[in-house]
Amino acid sequence: GQNIDQPTEMTATEGAIVQINCTYQTSGFNGLFWYQQHAGEAPTFLSYNVLDGLEEKGRFSSFLSRSKGYSYLLLKELQMKDSASYLCAVGKGSNYQLIWGAGTKLIIKP
Amino acid sequence: EADIYQTPRYLVIGTGKKITLECSQTMGHDKMYWYQQDPGMELHLIHYSYGVNSTEKGDLSSESTVSRIRTEHFPLTLESARPSHTSQYLCASRARGSQETQYFGPGTRLLVL
Repeated sequence: GQNIDQPTEMTATEGAIVQINCTYQTSGFNGLFWYQQHAGEAPTFLSYNVLDGLEEKGRFSSFLSRSKGYSYLLLKELQMKDSASYLCAVGKGSNYQLIWGAGTKLIIKP
Repeated sequence: EADIYQTPRYLVIGTGKKITLECSQTMGHDKMYWYQQDPGMELHLIHYSYGVNSTEKGDLSSESTVSRIRTEHFPLTLESARPSHTSQYLCASRARGSQETQYFGPGTRLLVL
């Protein structure tokens, strides 16, 4: 079957660093996406990993280990506006459908 | 910036009514998707299309139907709305290519009384 697990909720302090983990089990894996979703809004794309390793994009970085079925999203220099849900999604199959995790709600405290 | 639009943004309707949720994109994307998402829950794929005259059901059983007569337009229809259909409906589109991400519209919040 296919399964994506990520923590339900995390709390961090403004200015700090937080790592959100995602583990997955799926056949036909062809990439892992991270999206940000503010309450009541649509998801917006953050990052894409298809090869093992770290992808850095400003304050956000994403890591993938295909052999372990594991990814993380690293957020540095946290700002209050980073309070949102972070969704892990796995692309699968020849048509690159996305299988979505339930999301991690990140709460930033001053 | 993605150009994908959904109307209406909010809809309150009585049980048994027929409704159509509109989704349009101006990016020429072949692939379009409809998701259903309840608050704090994951997105569930209910329909998708890989091009004109191509539609498929997703993983989540849905009583809705879709059509894809034009590339830019992918409407979703509920023939007879029920309270169990209350949810947020998100439309997305994607270009060809393995690394192309899905772009989402702003969503339609549906409340069926």
